[in-house]
Amino acid sequence: ETGVTQTPRHLVMGMTNKKSLKCEQHLGHNAMYWYKQSAKKPLELMFVYSLEERVENNSVPSRFSPECPNSSHLFLHLHTLQPEDSALYLCASSQDGGEADTQYFGPGTRLTVL
Amino acid sequence: AQSVAQPEDQVNVAEGNPLTVKCTYSVSGNPYLFWYVQYPNRGLQFLLKYITGDNLVKGSYGFEAEFNKSQTSFHLKKPSALVSDSALYFCAVRGEGGSYIPTFGRGTSLIVHP
Repeated sequence: ETGVTQTPRHLVMGMTNKKSLKCEQHLGHNAMYWYKQSAKKPLELMFVYSLEERVENNSVPSRFSPECPNSSHLFLHLHTLQPEDSALYLCASSQDGGEADTQYFGPGTRLTVL
Repeated sequence: AQSVAQPEDQVNVAEGNPLTVKCTYSVSGNPYLFWYVQYPNRGLQFLLKYITGDNLVKGSYGFEAEFNKSQTSFHLKKPSALVSDSALYFCAVRGEGGSYIPTFGRGTSLIVHP
Protein backbone atom coordinates (compact mmCIF):
# COMPACT_ATOMS: atom_id res chain seq x y z
CA GLU A 1 0.00 0.00 0.00
CA THR A 2 2.98 2.37 0.10
CA GLY A 3 2.83 2.84 -3.69
CA VAL A 4 0.17 5.54 -3.34
CA THR A 5 0.05 7.68 -0.22
CA GLN A 6 -2.59 10.15 0.88
CA THR A 7 -2.52 12.84 3.54
CA PRO A 8 -4.20 13.56 5.79
CA ARG A 9 -5.95 10.26 6.56
CA HIS A 10 -8.70 12.04 8.45
CA LEU A 11 -9.95 15.61 8.14
CA VAL A 12 -12.72 17.47 9.93
CA MET A 13 -13.57 20.91 8.60
CA GLY A 14 -16.22 23.55 8.86
CA MET A 15 -18.15 24.78 5.88
CA THR A 16 -16.17 28.00 5.69
CA ASN A 17 -12.73 26.41 5.83
CA LYS A 18 -10.27 25.90 3.01
CA LYS A 19 -8.21 22.73 3.03
CA SER A 20 -6.29 20.54 0.61
CA LEU A 21 -5.92 16.79 0.21
CA LYS A 22 -2.61 15.47 -1.04
CA CYS A 23 -1.79 12.34 -2.99
CA GLU A 24 1.62 11.05 -4.03
CA GLN A 25 2.41 8.01 -6.15
CA HIS A 26 5.78 6.26 -6.17
CA LEU A 27 5.01 3.86 -9.03
CA GLY A 28 6.18 5.91 -12.00
CA HIS A 29 2.65 6.08 -13.39
CA ASN A 30 1.43 8.74 -15.77
CA ALA A 31 -2.25 8.98 -14.76
CA MET A 32 -3.80 9.98 -11.44
CA TYR A 33 -7.42 10.00 -10.30
CA TRP A 34 -9.66 11.36 -7.57
CA TYR A 35 -12.69 9.34 -6.53
CA LYS A 36 -15.41 10.07 -3.99
CA GLN A 37 -16.85 7.15 -2.04
CA SER A 38 -20.02 7.80 -0.06
CA ALA A 39 -21.93 5.27 1.97
CA LYS A 40 -24.52 3.33 -0.04
CA LYS A 41 -23.46 5.02 -3.31
CA PRO A 42 -21.31 3.90 -6.24
CA LEU A 43 -17.70 4.97 -6.51
CA GLU A 44 -17.74 8.40 -8.18
CA LEU A 45 -14.93 9.46 -10.48
CA MET A 46 -14.22 13.16 -9.91
CA PHE A 47 -11.08 14.05 -11.86
CA VAL A 48 -8.39 12.41 -13.96
CA TYR A 49 -4.99 13.72 -14.99
CA SER A 50 -3.23 11.76 -17.71
CA LEU A 51 -0.17 12.91 -19.59
CA GLU A 52 -0.95 16.41 -18.35
CA GLU A 53 -4.49 16.26 -19.74
CA ARG A 54 -7.33 16.82 -17.31
CA VAL A 55 -10.64 14.99 -17.49
CA GLU A 56 -13.42 15.91 -15.14
CA ASN A 57 -16.85 14.72 -14.18
CA ASN A 58 -19.12 17.63 -15.02
CA SER A 59 -21.35 16.89 -12.04
CA VAL A 60 -18.58 17.70 -9.53
CA PRO A 61 -19.25 21.07 -7.83
CA SER A 62 -16.77 23.90 -8.31
CA ARG A 63 -15.99 23.90 -4.59
CA PHE A 64 -13.67 20.99 -5.48
CA SER A 65 -10.58 22.05 -7.41
CA PRO A 66 -7.84 19.63 -8.50
CA GLU A 67 -4.21 20.40 -9.12
CA CYS A 68 -1.56 18.16 -10.63
CA PRO A 69 1.85 19.89 -10.59
CA ASN A 70 3.67 16.80 -11.91
CA SER A 71 3.00 13.13 -12.64
CA SER A 72 3.70 12.06 -9.04
CA HIS A 73 1.60 14.54 -7.10
CA LEU A 74 -2.09 15.30 -7.06
CA PHE A 75 -4.02 17.70 -4.87
CA LEU A 76 -7.70 18.30 -4.22
CA HIS A 77 -8.42 21.80 -2.95
CA LEU A 78 -11.57 22.18 -0.91
CA HIS A 79 -13.48 25.36 -0.09
CA THR A 80 -16.92 26.19 1.32
CA LEU A 81 -17.90 22.53 1.42
CA GLN A 82 -21.31 21.20 2.42
CA PRO A 83 -22.12 18.43 4.91
CA GLU A 84 -23.09 16.14 2.01
CA ASP A 85 -19.46 16.31 0.85
CA SER A 86 -18.48 14.15 3.82
CA ALA A 87 -17.07 10.97 2.33
CA LEU A 88 -13.95 8.91 1.75
CA TYR A 89 -11.81 10.52 -0.95
CA LEU A 90 -9.63 8.06 -2.79
CA CYS A 91 -6.66 8.76 -4.98
CA ALA A 92 -5.47 6.25 -7.58
CA SER A 93 -2.79 6.02 -10.22
CA SER A 94 -2.22 3.91 -13.32
CA GLN A 95 0.07 3.63 -16.30
CA ASP A 96 -1.91 4.73 -19.31
CA GLY A 97 -1.24 2.08 -21.95
CA GLY A 98 0.33 -0.43 -19.56
CA GLU A 99 -1.01 -3.47 -17.62
CA ALA A 100 -4.43 -2.76 -19.11
CA ASP A 101 -4.33 0.27 -16.86
CA THR A 102 -4.64 -1.47 -13.52
CA GLN A 103 -5.36 1.19 -10.94
CA TYR A 104 -3.53 1.36 -7.63
CA PHE A 105 -5.34 3.12 -4.81
CA GLY A 106 -4.22 5.05 -1.78
CA PRO A 107 -5.77 4.45 1.64
CA GLY A 108 -8.09 7.43 1.31
CA THR A 109 -8.86 10.56 3.29
CA ARG A 110 -11.94 10.38 5.48
CA LEU A 111 -13.48 13.86 5.27
CA THR A 112 -16.13 15.12 7.66
CA VAL A 113 -17.77 18.50 6.99
CA LEU A 114 -19.53 20.02 9.97
CA ALA B 1 -20.54 3.20 -23.36
CA GLN B 2 -19.34 0.66 -20.85
CA SER B 3 -21.13 -0.54 -17.74
CA VAL B 4 -20.83 -3.05 -14.93
CA ALA B 5 -23.55 -4.70 -12.86
CA GLN B 6 -23.04 -6.36 -9.51
CA PRO B 7 -26.53 -7.69 -8.86
CA GLU B 8 -26.04 -8.48 -5.18
CA ASP B 9 -25.50 -5.78 -2.57
CA GLN B 10 -24.49 -8.43 -0.05
CA VAL B 11 -23.38 -12.05 -0.11
CA ASN B 12 -23.39 -14.19 3.01
CA VAL B 13 -21.43 -17.43 3.23
CA ALA B 14 -20.26 -19.73 5.99
CA GLU B 15 -16.54 -20.12 6.61
CA GLY B 16 -15.16 -23.06 4.66
CA ASN B 17 -17.87 -22.94 2.02
CA PRO B 18 -17.25 -21.83 -1.56
CA LEU B 19 -18.13 -18.25 -2.43
CA THR B 20 -19.19 -16.49 -5.61
CA VAL B 21 -19.54 -12.76 -6.18
CA LYS B 22 -21.29 -11.97 -9.44
CA CYS B 23 -20.38 -9.42 -12.10
CA THR B 24 -21.75 -8.81 -15.58
CA TYR B 25 -20.53 -6.18 -17.99
CA SER B 26 -21.25 -4.34 -21.20
CA VAL B 27 -18.47 -2.87 -23.36
CA SER B 28 -17.57 -2.21 -26.97
CA GLY B 29 -14.87 -4.52 -28.21
CA ASN B 30 -12.83 -6.89 -26.10
CA PRO B 31 -13.10 -6.32 -22.36
CA TYR B 32 -10.42 -5.78 -19.78
CA LEU B 33 -11.95 -6.90 -16.48
CA PHE B 34 -10.80 -6.30 -12.92
CA TRP B 35 -11.68 -7.24 -9.38
CA TYR B 36 -10.73 -5.07 -6.42
CA VAL B 37 -11.26 -5.60 -2.68
CA GLN B 38 -11.74 -2.94 -0.03
CA TYR B 39 -11.29 -3.63 3.66
CA PRO B 40 -12.82 -1.22 6.21
CA ASN B 41 -11.20 2.22 6.26
CA ARG B 42 -8.82 1.29 3.45
CA GLY B 43 -8.46 1.99 -0.24
CA LEU B 44 -9.24 -0.50 -2.98
CA GLN B 45 -6.68 -3.26 -3.54
CA PHE B 46 -6.21 -4.97 -6.88
CA LEU B 47 -7.10 -8.69 -6.78
CA LEU B 48 -6.94 -9.93 -10.35
CA LYS B 49 -7.63 -9.05 -13.96
CA TYR B 50 -8.53 -10.58 -17.29
CA ILE B 51 -6.97 -9.22 -20.48
CA THR B 52 -6.79 -12.18 -22.83
CA GLY B 53 -6.02 -15.89 -22.83
CA ASP B 54 -7.21 -18.45 -20.30
CA ASN B 55 -10.76 -17.75 -19.16
CA LEU B 56 -9.91 -18.72 -15.58
CA VAL B 57 -7.81 -16.07 -13.91
CA LYS B 58 -6.09 -16.65 -10.59
CA GLY B 59 -5.37 -13.79 -8.24
CA SER B 60 -4.35 -12.87 -4.72
CA TYR B 61 -5.50 -14.58 -1.51
CA GLY B 62 -6.77 -17.69 -3.31
CA PHE B 63 -9.36 -15.85 -5.38
CA GLU B 64 -10.08 -16.64 -9.00
CA ALA B 65 -12.50 -15.36 -11.60
CA GLU B 66 -13.98 -16.92 -14.70
CA PHE B 67 -14.48 -14.91 -17.86
CA ASN B 68 -17.53 -15.99 -19.83
CA LYS B 69 -17.83 -14.11 -23.09
CA SER B 70 -21.22 -15.49 -24.11
CA GLN B 71 -22.77 -14.51 -20.79
CA THR B 72 -20.69 -11.31 -20.50
CA SER B 73 -19.82 -12.28 -16.95
CA PHE B 74 -16.73 -12.25 -14.77
CA HIS B 75 -17.72 -13.86 -11.48
CA LEU B 76 -15.29 -13.91 -8.57
CA LYS B 77 -14.86 -17.22 -6.77
CA LYS B 78 -13.01 -18.88 -3.95
CA PRO B 79 -13.23 -22.59 -3.06
CA SER B 80 -13.16 -22.10 0.71
CA ALA B 81 -14.10 -18.79 2.34
CA LEU B 82 -12.32 -17.30 5.35
CA VAL B 83 -13.75 -14.87 7.88
CA SER B 84 -10.93 -12.52 6.89
CA ASP B 85 -12.34 -12.42 3.33
CA SER B 86 -15.19 -10.29 4.64
CA ALA B 87 -14.90 -7.01 2.72
CA LEU B 88 -16.37 -4.95 -0.11
CA TYR B 89 -15.64 -6.27 -3.60
CA PHE B 90 -15.70 -4.18 -6.77
CA CYS B 91 -15.78 -5.35 -10.36
CA ALA B 92 -14.51 -2.96 -13.08
CA VAL B 93 -14.34 -2.98 -16.88
CA ARG B 94 -12.82 -1.04 -19.71
CA GLY B 95 -12.81 -1.79 -23.42
CA GLU B 96 -9.66 -2.67 -25.34
CA GLY B 97 -8.70 0.37 -27.37
CA GLY B 98 -11.27 2.47 -25.57
CA SER B 99 -10.94 4.94 -22.73
CA TYR B 100 -8.25 4.07 -20.20
CA ILE B 101 -10.70 5.05 -17.47
CA PRO B 102 -12.48 1.96 -16.08
CA THR B 103 -16.09 1.80 -14.99
CA PHE B 104 -16.69 0.33 -11.54
CA GLY B 105 -19.66 -1.62 -10.25
CA ARG B 106 -21.52 -0.56 -7.11
CA GLY B 107 -19.71 -3.09 -4.99
CA THR B 108 -20.80 -6.26 -3.17
CA SER B 109 -20.37 -6.68 0.55
CA LEU B 110 -19.13 -10.19 1.35
CA ILE B 111 -19.79 -11.42 4.86
CA VAL B 112 -18.23 -14.70 5.91
CA HIS B 113 -19.74 -16.16 9.07
CA PRO B 114 -17.63 -18.28 11.46
